[in-house]
Amino acid sequence: GAVVSQHPSWVICKSGTSVKIECRSLDFQATTMFWYRQFPKQSLMLMATSNEGSKATYEQGVEKDKFLINHASLTLSTLTVTSAHPEDSSFYICSARHRLSNQPQHFGDGTRLSIL
Amino acid sequence: GDSVTQMEGPVTLSEEAFLTINCTYTATGYPSLFWYVQYPGEGLQLLLKATKADDKGSNKGFEATYRKETTSFHLEKGSVQVSDSAVYFCALSDNAGGTSYGKLTFGQGTILTVHP
Repeated sequence: GAVVSQHPSWVICKSGTSVKIECRSLDFQATTMFWYRQFPKQSLMLMATSNEGSKATYEQGVEKDKFLINHASLTLSTLTVTSAHPEDSSFYICSARHRLSNQPQHFGDGTRLSIL
Repeated sequence: GDSVTQMEGPVTLSEEAFLTINCTYTATGYPSLFWYVQYPGEGLQLLLKATKADDKGSNKGFEATYRKETTSFHLEKGSVQVSDSAVYFCALSDNAGGTSYGKLTFGQGTILTVHP
């Protein structure tokens, strides 16, 4: 149980386009979801905390207008990278908090984003 | 603020060797401590956890003991296998309100490679 699905797993697009990444909790309701960014051979950097039905809380230094987060339902959060540029290329990971779980968060498998 | 420091890698071992990955933390209060594992191209999986001082977390032959006096949570395994090759992250979570986990703070990760 407590499966988090992230889609797509890999995307390549041209500079200037917008890319949407979906994060779904498949078998539980997630009132809180998290978005992380991971650079090669580095740790996870928390970008924002997303609560269902309200605005996301962004970490310091993360551009809200660049990384749009929507958490419209208890099972879906989306991250949209707007007007993506090569420096936005990275591995993006989402996670979800399960109220009844003994784990703090359950992680998706990540999305590899490459901007050409 | 809270922080986690892991021994720098990469770590390269032969199969059946003993593994230690050091982890120390700085936190206010009484955090919960975790080890996560990340296989190539995937998200994070919880390996083990400890929620209070002197607790020992264990799973798949790995173990770590929550040492409050030394603020450490070192990961050990007596005999590693090739399949253990992955990136290992130490993490902490403050216990928000005492009944649920707060945000996760990750160490920088340690790459482990095990050769046959």
